[in-house]
Amino acid sequence: SQTIHQWPATLVQPVGSPLSLECTVEGTSNPNLYWYRQAAGRGLQLLFYSVGIGQISSEVPQNLSASRPQDRQFILSSKKLLLSDSGFYLCAWSRYRSDYGYTFGSGTRLTVV
Amino acid sequence: GQQLNQSPQSMFIQEGEDVSMNCTSSSIFNTWLWYKQEPGEGPVLLIALYKAGELTSNGRLTAQFGITRKDSFLNISASIPSDVGIYFCAGIAGGTSYGKLTFGQGTILTVHP
Repeated sequence: SQTIHQWPATLVQPVGSPLSLECTVEGTSNPNLYWYRQAAGRGLQLLFYSVGIGQISSEVPQNLSASRPQDRQFILSSKKLLLSDSGFYLCAWSRYRSDYGYTFGSGTRLTVV
Repeated sequence: GQQLNQSPQSMFIQEGEDVSMNCTSSSIFNTWLWYKQEPGEGPVLLIALYKAGELTSNGRLTAQFGITRKDSFLNISASIPSDVGIYFCAGIAGGTSYGKLTFGQGTILTVHP
């Protein structure tokens, strides 16, 4: 069976510090991978998605970047965090062109202080 | 781009009451999905609908794929405190968007014992 792992679960970082959140998927190959941000417990904002190694699409301009160094690894990064980067970050995966939807990780609560 | 309008934005109900929420779109979707997100967790798929007019149940949950393919609703019968969370609708369109989810804004459900 497929599983998705996301860590850390919570993170408190000072303004201006770097960020690295990691997501890995097991039990499948060539997944589509996604990073979402959720503010104030409401809507899901798609930040990045990837259909393959090294292929990253950005949905909104921001202080963040994403990378996919391996088939089942997706990393969200920032060189210098802003207060506005605080939020709940979710990683998700899906099969290519599948209509079974996405499977989400358990999320990372990021607080920038 | 495609948008899903989900309503209501929030609901405060008493335990035992029935709940109804819906999602509408100006464009056609080939698949409708309903997710539930509990506090501090990632969304989890509840029900998937693949055919216009389809009515599908999962325990106390019932969802329908609208005939026009532009809407879907979710009903929860005899609510219980563990139904608390954010419910998201999501749709998958065809063509070049195949496999890519569009999410509604979410319905926050609070159940008072």
